[in-house]
Amino acid sequence: SQQGEEDPQALSIQEGENATMNCSYKTSINNLQWYRQNSGRGLVHLILIRSNEREKHSGRLRVTLDTSKKSSSLLITASRAADTASYFCATDRSSNTGKLIFGQGTTLQVKP
Amino acid sequence: IAGITQAPTSQILAAGRRMTLRCTQDMRHNAMYWYRQDLGLGLRLIHYSNTAGTTGKGEVPDGYSVSRANTDDFPLTLASAVPSQTSVYFCASSDQDRGSYTFGSGTRLTVV
Repeated sequence: SQQGEEDPQALSIQEGENATMNCSYKTSINNLQWYRQNSGRGLVHLILIRSNEREKHSGRLRVTLDTSKKSSSLLITASRAADTASYFCATDRSSNTGKLIFGQGTTLQVKP
Repeated sequence: IAGITQAPTSQILAAGRRMTLRCTQDMRHNAMYWYRQDLGLGLRLIHYSNTAGTTGKGEVPDGYSVSRANTDDFPLTLASAVPSQTSVYFCASSDQDRGSYTFGSGTRLTVV
C-alpha cells in the first residue's frame, strides 16, 4: 500500500514561476523526504524534514510539514527548464524505521 | 566517484529464466534496498538489508530473493521470471544516521 500520495499528478508551468507539490500520508512518521527523478535516471535526494520540524529550506526549495494534517508541500521558487522532472515524497514510518515508502510522484514540466 | 553501480542497465529475459541483478556500493552504507518502479504505482520496496548478513521482506517480495554476504553487494535474484516482473529496478543504500537514500541508475528488465 502506498503511504504517500502526491498532488497534483502533473504540473506544467512557465520558467520563472513557482511550483508547489503536495504530499499526504497516513501513519506517524520519523521524517519525510523529497526526491527528484529525471527521465530514465535514478532518484536524487533533495531534502529531509523531521517530524519535529515544520519548515526547511535548501536553495530554491522550501518544504513544509504539518503532522496534524499528515501532509507536506514542496515549493520550487523561480523555476527553470532544468527543474523538469518527477518529484516524489517518501516517508520513514515510525512503525518501520529506515524503510522509505514512496508516493506515486508529481511530474513537473517547466516551459522555457 | 562514490555511489551505487547497478548491472545490467537493461535486459530482455525469457519467461522462466533465472536472472540476477547486481548492485554494488562504495559508500560503506549499512542499509541497502531494492525497489521496483512501475508506471502509476511509484516505487515499491521488494527487499531490504539493514546490515551485512541480514535481509528482510518489503511490500512486494514474492518471486524475488536477495543476499547480503558483505557490506558492498546486494544482488537481487528472480528465480523464474514472469512477465509481471517487467519493470525498472532500483537499488539504494542509506547511512541510517542520515536517513536519506542514494539510488543507482536502475535496471530496465523486460520479461517476454
